[in-house]
Amino acid sequence: AQSVAQPEDQVNVAEGNPLTVKCTYSVSGNPYLFWYVQYPNRGLQFLLKYITGDNLVKGSYGFEAEFNKSQTSFHLKKPSALVSDSALYFCAVRDAYSGNTPLVFGKGTRLSVIA
Amino acid sequence: GAVVSQHPSRVICKSGTSVKIECRSLDFQATTMFWYRQFPKKSLMLMATSNEGSKATYEQGVEKDKFLINHASLTLSTLTVTSAHPEDSSFYICSATPGQASHNEQFFGPGTRLTVL
Repeated sequence: AQSVAQPEDQVNVAEGNPLTVKCTYSVSGNPYLFWYVQYPNRGLQFLLKYITGDNLVKGSYGFEAEFNKSQTSFHLKKPSALVSDSALYFCAVRDAYSGNTPLVFGKGTRLSVIA
Repeated sequence: GAVVSQHPSRVICKSGTSVKIECRSLDFQATTMFWYRQFPKKSLMLMATSNEGSKATYEQGVEKDKFLINHASLTLSTLTVTSAHPEDSSFYICSATPGQASHNEQFFGPGTRLTVL
């Protein structure tokens, strides 16, 4: 079975400070990992994904995430937070051999960037 | 990236009526689409997998007779909430993936806010 854990319901950070949103996963095979962002009353927007290769993945809006196989983690990071980054962030996983099956999502982490 | 649209974006209906929500992949074909439900400040709950030309696969606990899914073409899936009640009020989101590869991300529609009075 596949699962994702986002241990923090809420993350608060001051504007200009680095931010980290945590994610750990569990899959039986190799993981494909994804991060999405959701603004109020909107659908989810894709930020980045890890498939293979370099463990550090760069995505949209200056976000990046680091795949750590030994810790089964895929934390989302940004060097300098903006107020406009305030949103709900979802981590998701899919087993590499599962084909076009639905992504398994974490429960989400609400990021609040304070000016 | 690929674009998925939903219509309507917002609907208010009376209890007992049925509501149809459309999900379209605008620039790609999708043999499979997914329907999610999201409660306030909560994660996404997968309701069903919609398969073009065949019956949808529902998740455990989702009433298939209440939430009717039709995937009549490679670019359109519809979710009909039948005999809606206030507890069906929620944010419904669809998604689709271009192709069948497991490394492809899902693209999400903008969501439909359903309010049942």
